[in-house]
Amino acid sequence: AQKVTQAQTEISVVEKEDVTLDCVYETRDTTYYLFWYKQPPSGELVFLIRRNSFDEQNEISGRYSWNFQKSTSSFNFTITASQVVDSAVYFCALSDGITRDNYGQNFVFGPGTRLSVLP
Amino acid sequence: GAGVSQSPRYKVAKRGQDVALRCDPISGHVSLFWYQQALGQGPEFLTYFQNEAQLDKSGLPSDRFFAERPEGSVSTLKIQRTQQEDSAVYLCASSLDPDTQYFGPGTRLTVL
Repeated sequence: AQKVTQAQTEISVVEKEDVTLDCVYETRDTTYYLFWYKQPPSGELVFLIRRNSFDEQNEISGRYSWNFQKSTSSFNFTITASQVVDSAVYFCALSDGITRDNYGQNFVFGPGTRLSVLP
Repeated sequence: GAGVSQSPRYKVAKRGQDVALRCDPISGHVSLFWYQQALGQGPEFLTYFQNEAQLDKSGLPSDRFFAERPEGSVSTLKIQRTQQEDSAVYLCASSLDPDTQYFGPGTRLTVL
């Protein structure tokens, strides 16, 4: 069975600090996708990144970076020089990559980490 | 250039009432998903459509929940005889890329 664990329920940092959000996943599949979504107070889930299981190269996008380590089944997310606008709930999600007719299938989400960035 | 839209954004129902929640996916997206998100938790899968075909409804919590997408575009999630435990945010997502889903703002349902 698939499972996503985000052990940090809530994190508070002061603006400009770096913060890392942890994500550990479980799956028996060799092909899978990992995602991070941001959910601001407005409620809409905003897609941040997708990684497939064959690509362990870390990725950086502006102040965001992701560290995918298959050996530890982790896909951690770091925000550098955090800003107040980064305050949101962040979800890590897993899909097994065995798509239904190549048009997508359901995700398993972690419980989320609520990040508060204080001015 | 609209994203996924959902209506209503907020719904208050008395216990026992029926409700209908609407989702307008991104134009051209074949796949459509419904999720239920309880307070303080991550979204949980309810059901999945490919065009008008409901291919997976394994996440629907009871037979009071029913979803349809008759023309392969707009979808409606219907909950009959609502109960307090149905209170949650109901999220809709659509997908064209095989593994990236785009979410709507959700409908917050409160059952009194």
